[in-house]
Amino acid sequence: DTGVSQDPRHKITKRGQNVTFRCDPISEHNRLYWYRQTLGQGPEFLTYFQNEAQLEKSRLLSDRFSAERPKGSFSTLEIQRTEQGDSAMYLCASSFQGRGHEQYFGPGTRLTVT
Amino acid sequence: DQQVKQNSPSLSVQEGRISILNCDYTNSMFDYFLWYKKYPAEGPTFLISISSIKDKNEDGRFTVFLNKSAKHLSLHIVPSQPGDSAVYFCAADMNYGGSQGNLIFGKGTKLSVKP
Repeated sequence: DTGVSQDPRHKITKRGQNVTFRCDPISEHNRLYWYRQTLGQGPEFLTYFQNEAQLEKSRLLSDRFSAERPKGSFSTLEIQRTEQGDSAMYLCASSFQGRGHEQYFGPGTRLTVT
Repeated sequence: DQQVKQNSPSLSVQEGRISILNCDYTNSMFDYFLWYKKYPAEGPTFLISISSIKDKNEDGRFTVFLNKSAKHLSLHIVPSQPGDSAVYFCAADMNYGGSQGNLIFGKGTKLSVKP
């Protein structure tokens, strides 16, 4: 399967702990996006990369959140000092540079902060 | 403030009939619109899109209509099939400044197609 993959699929952590999620995009895609989705809402944009460069960050991405894409392939999203409000589905998507609207999403990582 | 609104949380349709899902937006800078479909435990899947220079785009059973003056778009599915049962998200983007990819999503409409 050559789709977008995310790991882990589920993560339960205690408040105050750090967590890191991984996303592997479709290999030919040079753009990679992170979104957050809470219950009853649509996905909310967090940040995106073009190759290894992080080009845009949402106001939602507080200083406890950091994303990297060091070699322009996979990406990691780290949340430090997790809070209960961080509980959500974290979605990763990828696209071709010239077709940024048509994003291919992974299955998501569901984070539960207790 | 919701810039993309899907005011119907759910819709139930009989198999073979038409499904019409609606979406309104408030930001006149949006110039590209998309529909995504989401099954449980999966990420959203791109379905169909339309540029603001068009008022209709068709792909098989799926047609999206755009009414710029009303800031309204709709997705028509004809005929509806039970496999179409999913949550449908409307999304919008703007090319201003070269930004492509900061999609603004609505809250979604859950479509149920009954056999």
